[in-house]
Amino acid sequence: NAGVTQTPKFRVLKTGQSMTLLCAQDMNHEYMYWYRQDPGMGLRLIHYSVGEGTTAKGEVPDGYNVSRLKKQNFLLGLESAAPSQTSVYFCASRPWTGGLFNTEAFFGQGTRLTVV
Amino acid sequence: GESVGLHLPTLSVQEGDNSIINCAYSNSASDYFIWYKQESGKGPQFIIDIRSNMDKRQGQRVTVLLNKTVKHLSLQIAATQPGDSAVYFCAETPPNQAGTALIFGKGTTLSVSS
Repeated sequence: NAGVTQTPKFRVLKTGQSMTLLCAQDMNHEYMYWYRQDPGMGLRLIHYSVGEGTTAKGEVPDGYNVSRLKKQNFLLGLESAAPSQTSVYFCASRPWTGGLFNTEAFFGQGTRLTVV
Repeated sequence: GESVGLHLPTLSVQEGDNSIINCAYSNSASDYFIWYKQESGKGPQFIIDIRSNMDKRQGQRVTVLLNKTVKHLSLQIAATQPGDSAVYFCAETPPNQAGTALIFGKGTTLSVSS
Protein backbone atom coordinates (compact mmCIF):
# COMPACT_ATOMS: atom_id res chain seq x y z
CA ASN A 1 0.00 0.00 0.00
CA ALA A 2 1.94 3.03 -1.27
CA GLY A 3 -0.61 5.71 -0.33
CA VAL A 4 -0.21 8.83 -2.48
CA THR A 5 2.59 8.84 -5.03
CA GLN A 6 3.69 11.87 -7.01
CA THR A 7 5.76 11.85 -10.20
CA PRO A 8 8.26 13.42 -10.79
CA LYS A 9 9.90 14.52 -7.54
CA PHE A 10 11.93 17.30 -9.14
CA ARG A 11 11.75 19.18 -12.41
CA VAL A 12 13.28 22.25 -13.99
CA LEU A 13 11.36 23.91 -16.82
CA LYS A 14 12.09 26.80 -19.10
CA THR A 15 9.51 29.57 -19.34
CA GLY A 16 6.84 28.62 -21.84
CA GLN A 17 7.38 24.86 -21.62
CA SER A 18 4.57 22.54 -20.64
CA MET A 19 4.48 19.56 -18.32
CA THR A 20 2.17 17.24 -16.43
CA LEU A 21 2.46 16.21 -12.80
CA LEU A 22 1.01 12.83 -11.96
CA CYS A 23 -0.64 11.87 -8.69
CA ALA A 24 -1.66 8.29 -7.99
CA GLN A 25 -3.42 6.92 -4.91
CA ASP A 26 -4.16 3.31 -4.08
CA MET A 27 -6.64 3.89 -1.24
CA ASN A 28 -9.74 4.10 -3.42
CA HIS A 29 -10.40 7.67 -2.26
CA GLU A 30 -13.03 9.73 -4.01
CA TYR A 31 -11.59 13.17 -3.28
CA MET A 32 -8.27 14.35 -4.65
CA TYR A 33 -6.55 17.73 -4.43
CA TRP A 34 -3.61 19.66 -5.78
CA TYR A 35 -1.94 22.24 -3.54
CA ARG A 36 1.05 24.47 -4.01
CA GLN A 37 3.34 25.51 -1.20
CA ASP A 38 5.38 28.68 -1.29
CA PRO A 39 7.60 30.07 1.49
CA GLY A 40 5.52 31.81 4.15
CA MET A 41 2.26 31.04 2.32
CA GLY A 42 1.26 27.65 3.66
CA LEU A 43 -0.56 25.32 1.27
CA ARG A 44 -3.00 26.78 -1.20
CA LEU A 45 -5.57 24.78 -3.12
CA ILE A 46 -5.19 24.83 -6.91
CA HIS A 47 -7.81 22.36 -8.16
CA TYR A 48 -9.73 19.46 -6.72
CA SER A 49 -11.86 16.52 -7.77
CA VAL A 50 -14.77 14.89 -5.98
CA GLY A 51 -14.77 11.83 -8.20
CA GLU A 52 -13.74 10.25 -11.46
CA GLY A 53 -14.47 12.53 -14.40
CA THR A 54 -15.05 15.64 -12.27
CA THR A 55 -12.77 18.57 -11.51
CA ALA A 56 -13.21 22.05 -10.09
CA LYS A 57 -11.19 25.17 -9.34
CA GLY A 58 -9.67 25.94 -5.99
CA GLU A 59 -8.15 29.11 -4.61
CA VAL A 60 -5.33 29.62 -7.15
CA PRO A 61 -6.31 27.82 -10.41
CA ASP A 62 -4.93 30.24 -13.03
CA GLY A 63 -2.26 28.74 -15.28
CA TYR A 64 -3.14 25.14 -14.38
CA ASN A 65 -5.44 22.47 -15.74
CA VAL A 66 -6.36 19.10 -14.28
CA SER A 67 -7.91 15.83 -15.34
CA ARG A 68 -9.25 12.82 -13.50
CA LEU A 69 -9.94 10.14 -16.08
CA LYS A 70 -9.38 7.34 -13.59
CA LYS A 71 -10.36 7.35 -9.95
CA GLN A 72 -6.84 6.62 -8.76
CA ASN A 73 -5.09 9.31 -10.82
CA PHE A 74 -5.20 13.09 -10.72
CA LEU A 75 -3.09 15.00 -13.25
CA LEU A 76 -1.97 18.60 -12.97
CA GLY A 77 -0.91 20.32 -16.18
CA LEU A 78 1.01 23.49 -16.84
CA GLU A 79 0.43 24.55 -20.44
CA SER A 80 2.94 27.41 -20.54
CA ALA A 81 5.11 27.53 -17.43
CA ALA A 82 5.96 30.86 -15.83
CA PRO A 83 8.55 31.69 -13.12
CA SER A 84 5.65 32.48 -10.76
CA GLN A 85 4.78 28.78 -10.88
CA THR A 86 8.07 27.86 -9.20
CA SER A 87 6.83 26.06 -6.11
CA VAL A 88 6.45 22.75 -4.34
CA TYR A 89 3.31 20.92 -5.43
CA PHE A 90 1.47 18.48 -3.20
CA CYS A 91 -1.25 16.07 -4.09
CA ALA A 92 -3.64 14.77 -1.44
CA SER A 93 -6.56 12.38 -1.27
CA ARG A 94 -9.44 11.90 1.12
CA PRO A 95 -12.20 9.29 1.38
CA TRP A 96 -15.86 10.06 0.99
CA THR A 97 -17.79 9.23 4.14
CA GLY A 98 -21.29 9.83 2.91
CA GLY A 99 -21.23 13.41 4.11
CA LEU A 100 -21.48 12.25 7.70
CA PHE A 101 -18.08 13.33 8.94
CA ASN A 102 -14.70 14.51 7.77
CA THR A 103 -11.42 12.64 7.96
CA GLU A 104 -7.77 13.39 7.43
CA ALA A 105 -6.29 13.94 3.98
CA PHE A 106 -3.27 11.90 2.92
CA PHE A 107 -0.44 13.71 1.17
CA GLY A 108 2.21 12.73 -1.33
CA GLN A 109 5.87 13.63 -0.93
CA GLY A 110 5.70 16.62 -3.23
CA THR A 111 7.13 17.75 -6.57
CA ARG A 112 9.65 20.56 -6.52
CA LEU A 113 9.24 22.58 -9.72
CA THR A 114 11.56 25.36 -10.82
CA VAL A 115 10.71 27.51 -13.83
CA VAL A 116 13.64 29.50 -15.22
CA GLY B 1 -11.79 35.44 2.57
CA GLU B 2 -11.85 33.30 5.65
CA SER B 3 -8.74 31.39 6.55
CA VAL B 4 -6.88 29.61 9.28
CA GLY B 5 -3.84 31.34 10.67
CA LEU B 6 -1.12 30.71 13.23
CA HIS B 7 -0.02 33.21 15.80
CA LEU B 8 3.74 32.75 15.57
CA PRO B 9 5.86 31.81 12.57
CA THR B 10 8.62 30.30 14.73
CA LEU B 11 8.94 28.68 18.15
CA SER B 12 12.18 27.59 19.79
CA VAL B 13 12.21 25.25 22.80
CA GLN B 14 14.65 23.14 24.74
CA GLU B 15 14.50 19.35 24.60
CA GLY B 16 12.21 18.06 27.31
CA ASP B 17 10.11 21.21 27.52
CA ASN B 18 6.44 21.28 26.61
CA SER B 19 5.57 23.11 23.38
CA ILE B 20 2.36 24.96 22.62
CA ILE B 21 1.55 25.95 19.06
CA ASN B 22 -1.46 28.18 18.51
CA CYS B 23 -3.85 28.72 15.66
CA ALA B 24 -6.78 31.10 15.17
CA TYR B 25 -9.58 30.35 12.76
CA SER B 26 -12.19 32.73 11.45
CA ASN B 27 -15.04 30.50 10.29
CA SER B 28 -17.14 29.82 13.38
CA ALA B 29 -19.08 27.15 11.52
CA SER B 30 -16.03 24.98 10.73
CA ASP B 31 -16.63 21.52 12.13
CA TYR B 32 -13.35 19.69 11.68
CA PHE B 33 -9.74 20.59 12.38
CA ILE B 34 -6.43 18.85 11.84
CA TRP B 35 -2.83 19.40 12.86
CA TYR B 36 -0.17 18.34 10.37
CA LYS B 37 3.59 18.03 10.81
CA GLN B 38 5.85 18.69 7.85
CA GLU B 39 9.51 17.76 7.95
CA SER B 40 11.96 19.23 5.50
CA GLY B 41 11.51 17.82 2.01
CA LYS B 42 8.46 15.77 2.92
CA GLY B 43 4.71 16.02 2.62
CA PRO B 44 2.44 16.95 5.55
CA GLN B 45 1.83 14.12 8.00
CA PHE B 46 -1.29 13.79 10.14
CA ILE B 47 -0.77 14.34 13.85
CA ILE B 48 -4.20 14.66 15.42
CA ASP B 49 -7.66 15.89 14.59
CA ILE B 50 -10.66 17.20 16.50
CA ARG B 51 -14.31 17.73 15.68
CA SER B 52 -16.27 20.77 16.70
CA ASN B 53 -18.35 18.82 19.24
CA MET B 54 -15.22 18.27 21.33
CA ASP B 55 -12.94 20.69 23.18
CA LYS B 56 -9.98 18.41 23.84
CA ARG B 57 -8.42 15.36 22.33
CA GLN B 58 -5.28 13.53 23.35
CA GLY B 59 -2.85 11.40 21.42
CA GLN B 60 0.57 10.11 22.12
CA ARG B 61 2.46 13.09 23.64
CA VAL B 62 0.13 15.48 21.83
CA THR B 63 -3.05 17.22 22.87
CA VAL B 64 -5.28 19.42 20.78
CA LEU B 65 -7.51 22.01 22.43
CA LEU B 66 -10.41 23.69 20.70
CA ASN B 67 -11.97 26.87 22.06
CA LYS B 68 -14.96 27.68 19.89
CA THR B 69 -15.83 30.78 21.89
CA VAL B 70 -12.71 32.58 20.72
CA LYS B 71 -12.14 30.44 17.63
CA HIS B 72 -8.78 29.18 18.82
CA LEU B 73 -6.97 25.89 18.31
CA SER B 74 -3.78 24.79 20.00
CA LEU B 75 -1.40 21.85 19.78
CA GLN B 76 0.48 20.86 22.89
CA ILE B 77 3.52 18.60 22.60
CA ALA B 78 4.76 17.07 25.84
CA ALA B 79 8.46 16.45 26.48
CA THR B 80 9.49 17.90 23.13
CA GLN B 81 12.22 15.97 21.35
CA PRO B 82 14.66 16.97 18.58
CA GLY B 83 12.64 14.77 16.22
CA ASP B 84 9.69 17.09 16.75
CA SER B 85 11.51 19.85 14.87
CA ALA B 86 9.35 20.60 11.84
CA VAL B 87 6.74 22.98 10.48
CA TYR B 88 3.31 22.54 12.03
CA PHE B 89 0.12 23.47 10.20
CA CYS B 90 -3.41 23.65 11.40
CA ALA B 91 -6.15 23.12 8.85
CA GLU B 92 -9.92 23.35 8.88
CA THR B 93 -12.81 22.13 6.78
CA PRO B 94 -15.38 24.92 6.60
CA PRO B 95 -18.97 23.83 6.04
CA ASN B 96 -20.03 23.52 2.44
CA GLN B 97 -16.41 23.78 1.43
CA ALA B 98 -15.88 22.77 -2.15
CA GLY B 99 -14.80 19.14 -2.30
CA THR B 100 -14.36 19.13 1.50
CA ALA B 101 -10.90 20.60 0.90
CA LEU B 102 -8.75 21.46 3.87
CA ILE B 103 -7.85 25.12 4.30
CA PHE B 104 -4.38 25.59 5.74
CA GLY B 105 -2.77 28.25 7.86
CA LYS B 106 0.73 29.52 7.17
CA GLY B 107 2.53 27.24 9.62
CA THR B 108 4.77 27.48 12.68
CA THR B 109 8.35 26.28 12.56
CA LEU B 110 9.27 24.45 15.75
CA SER B 111 12.97 24.22 16.56
CA VAL B 112 14.08 21.95 19.39
CA SER B 113 17.57 22.31 20.79
CA SER B 114 19.23 19.70 22.96
